[in-house]
Amino acid sequence: GAVVSQHPSWVICKSGTSVKIECRSLDFQATTMFWYRQFPKQSLMLMATSNEGSKATYEQGVEKDKFLINHASLTLSTLTVTSAHPEDSSFYICSARDPNSGTDTQYFGPGTRLTVL
Amino acid sequence: AQSVTQLDSHVSVSEGTPVLLRCNYSSSYSPSLFWYVQHPNKGLQLLLKYTSAATLVKGINGFEAEFKKSETSFHLTKPSAHMSDAAEYFCVVSPNTGTASKLTFGTGTRLQVTL
Repeated sequence: GAVVSQHPSWVICKSGTSVKIECRSLDFQATTMFWYRQFPKQSLMLMATSNEGSKATYEQGVEKDKFLINHASLTLSTLTVTSAHPEDSSFYICSARDPNSGTDTQYFGPGTRLTVL
Repeated sequence: AQSVTQLDSHVSVSEGTPVLLRCNYSSSYSPSLFWYVQHPNKGLQLLLKYTSAATLVKGINGFEAEFKKSETSFHLTKPSAHMSDAAEYFCVVSPNTGTASKLTFGTGTRLQVTL
């Protein structure tokens, strides 16, 4: 099946620094990727839709200047958390849709645990 | 508009007994429906999906789900639970309107399997 990877799997940073998370589709090309945030014991919250070659579409309440998304190629999308603060600590998960699947099935990466000190 | 309701936040079963995780949905479209499983500190793995073909959908690891339009339900079942099934399960709906279709997640059901 379609495989999506994320890097790093976990990161610890100091308050005020920026952190970049990569999401890659390994065996298919994804024109659209999605970024989610998950708080402990809660469901996933969609942050933004990442479109290859164009600007990301952010969900209401998500700061686009805080969470920078770049989708520079058909297999890579990045999420940069700028000037991170402890409240940004969370589990970040990306997904990608395989256009060859014939449906709108999304395949998820393993997630990135961000801890801001 | 679409929504998903997972009726149980927590389900506990004994190993070897059947599993039933309940899900009801609402959608303005003919939706696609999915069940995903998440083990601790891991991403989501697709268990199965319904996309307007057969109403009884078989997935991985012995799970299956039946789409019942009249009841707007998509319950997940497994005949015999295994310890490795302990995880969080999410029922998900999509309007199936194209490449950027947004998923709507249920709040999740934590499955506990005891000896």
